[in-house]
Amino acid sequence: DIVMTQSPDSLAVSLGERATINCRSSQSLLFRSNNKNCLAWYQQKPGQPPKLLIYWASTRESGVPDRFSGSGSGTDFTLTISSLQAEDVAVYYCQQYYNTLTFGPGTKVDIK
Amino acid sequence: QLQMKESGPGLVKPSETLSLTCTVSGDSISSSDYYWGWIRQPPGKGLEWIGSIFYSGSSYYNPSLKSRVTISVDTSKNQFSLKLNSVTAADTAVYYCARGINMAATGHQTLFDYWGQGTLVTVSS
Repeated sequence: DIVMTQSPDSLAVSLGERATINCRSSQSLLFRSNNKNCLAWYQQKPGQPPKLLIYWASTRESGVPDRFSGSGSGTDFTLTISSLQAEDVAVYYCQQYYNTLTFGPGTKVDIK
Repeated sequence: QLQMKESGPGLVKPSETLSLTCTVSGDSISSSDYYWGWIRQPPGKGLEWIGSIFYSGSSYYNPSLKSRVTISVDTSKNQFSLKLNSVTAADTAVYYCARGINMAATGHQTLFDYWGQGTLVTVSS
């Protein structure tokens, strides 16, 4: 199985400031047939199911605010919240779909 | 608007079988555009994919659970179901059903764009 790791485990950011979450996979997620990375990002608020934010590492899901962006390729990926809002307090998970689906352990984002 | 709702017992005894059903409304489970999956989350912990199924009945499982899991689909009722046998306390979790996008390139290995609210299943005597 592909092992997903995330850093940091948690972070606190001031309102309006940038939050950056890293995700690393134990092997490359680059899918040769379409030259895209099989990596998705989810946001999970307390008591709610995960919500899809980003797929193919950098494609924003419909309706997701543009302050959320994804980047990276191969084994290293980043989710950036450009200007943190109060409603962005949540746990964020990365997930690979290159082979047997696995999720990262999550990164908790709070307000400083 | 797609809605997905998990149903089933909230308490299961050790060594018995956990059975859950996901009822889908607002979309047809028979669409070739989607897979239908189960994901679980132990209290306070991360997410684990259990398995997915296509409307045709083709199913795919997490190797770590494969020996204990069966996922089935009932297109006439727009439902799909999960059975996990020989449960232990380690199977205590919130169980989510979710819709996976069939992206052709990766097949059943996909992301999930709609999720049910989840149901807590506790394994205890």
